[in-house]
Amino acid sequence: KNQVEQSPQSLIILEGKNCTLQCNYTVSPFSNLRWYKQDTGRGPVSLTIMTFSENTKSNGRYTATLDADTKQSSLHITASQLSDSASYICVVTSGTYKYIFGTGTRLKVLA
Amino acid sequence: AAGVIQSPRHLIKEKRETATLKCYPIPRHDTVYWYQQGPGQDPQFLISFYEKMQSDKGSIPDRFSAQQFSDYHSELNMSSLELGDSALYFCASSLVETQYFGPGTRLLVL
Repeated sequence: KNQVEQSPQSLIILEGKNCTLQCNYTVSPFSNLRWYKQDTGRGPVSLTIMTFSENTKSNGRYTATLDADTKQSSLHITASQLSDSASYICVVTSGTYKYIFGTGTRLKVLA
Repeated sequence: AAGVIQSPRHLIKEKRETATLKCYPIPRHDTVYWYQQGPGQDPQFLISFYEKMQSDKGSIPDRFSAQQFSDYHSELNMSSLELGDSALYFCASSLVETQYFGPGTRLLVL
């Protein structure tokens, strides 16, 4: 069964701190893995997209890693800002058009 | 730059009524996706179209149907609306891989 699980479900950190979000998947066939940031009431915004052969990809203060052997990905946020408060969704693409969404992690950054 | 356009932005319907949501993709994008996001929920993929043909189907109820027209715009038709259909409906378009999301249509079923 294709499944994408994220942890933790929710996270509260202080401004300026770092944090790491986890994504474990059992999806076959695997095409790519994306991390999205979604502010409340807004559409998801793509942060990174990684294919099977990529281990690390950065986008500003966001760094995603992918271990295709263990089927795990992480999203590391450096020097968090209040505007980082959002839901972070891991999405794995199977084949060309099949998207399997993760359960999401709700991050809250406090001043 | 042009973005994905959705209309209407807000819609209020009563139970058992029908609703039609429209999505106008970014020019030259050939793929359209529909997502449903309930209150406090993550977006759920409903259905997608590539070159006017259905390309993938997610958790779209049988009461819903969608199509993509010759100008690549898409419409999501929702019949026999239920209270649980109240949600934010996103449309996204893509040319290759990256999906670009529209602002969403907020549907409230009373």
